[in-house]
Amino acid sequence: NAGVTQTPKFRILKIGQSMTLQCTQDMNHNYMYWYRQDPGMGLKLIYYSVGAGITDKGEVPNGYNVSRSTTEDFPLRLELAAPSQTSVYFCASRLAGGHEQYFGPGTRLTVT
Amino acid sequence: ELKVEQNPLFLSMQEGKNYTIYCNYSTTSDRLYWYRQDPGKSLESLFVLLSNGAVKQEGRLMASLDTKARLSTLHITAAVHDLSATYFCAVDFSYNNNDMRFGAGTRLTVKP
Repeated sequence: NAGVTQTPKFRILKIGQSMTLQCTQDMNHNYMYWYRQDPGMGLKLIYYSVGAGITDKGEVPNGYNVSRSTTEDFPLRLELAAPSQTSVYFCASRLAGGHEQYFGPGTRLTVT
Repeated sequence: ELKVEQNPLFLSMQEGKNYTIYCNYSTTSDRLYWYRQDPGKSLESLFVLLSNGAVKQEGRLMASLDTKARLSTLHITAAVHDLSATYFCAVDFSYNNNDMRFGAGTRLTVKP
């Protein structure tokens, strides 16, 4: 199993540009999550999904959108990038009924 | 307000010494997690604590949970250089395991 994979690893955006961060898991996990980690801080939950077709907001959803059309994929969309969205983004997944979340390697995004 | 506070935020230790990292949280929860993060890397799950009085040990690390005091500790015994990393605690405040809040992290440096 590849586990949780994220692309790209790094990206630089100009203010106002848009992009999609990709996240895929091959463990057949129902639950998927998007977090952001600002320098020197812990992670904050952006959005999560409990299954295909179902998404919900986390602690810091503003400026982001998600979709979940398949069990495997959970892309995160930034429509109008702002410098405040400069961060490292982690995707995670969890098995229904389980407690442990499995994290992807992260995407480092810089908005200038 | 849902808050998770760790202390200390920075910890420099000598090899062979013992120390404890503390994690306090604001509201009732019986699900607490400890993660390790190496620089530029993703999060690695260390412990999942699911009930009052839970204690788990792995090598030189031992974690415990006191839900009445809203406190978890991560105890390091006879530290070695390989333990140098940032350690995060995270608390799930939701009823459905979908809202983890992270502490700011403790950056541990173990010196020879």
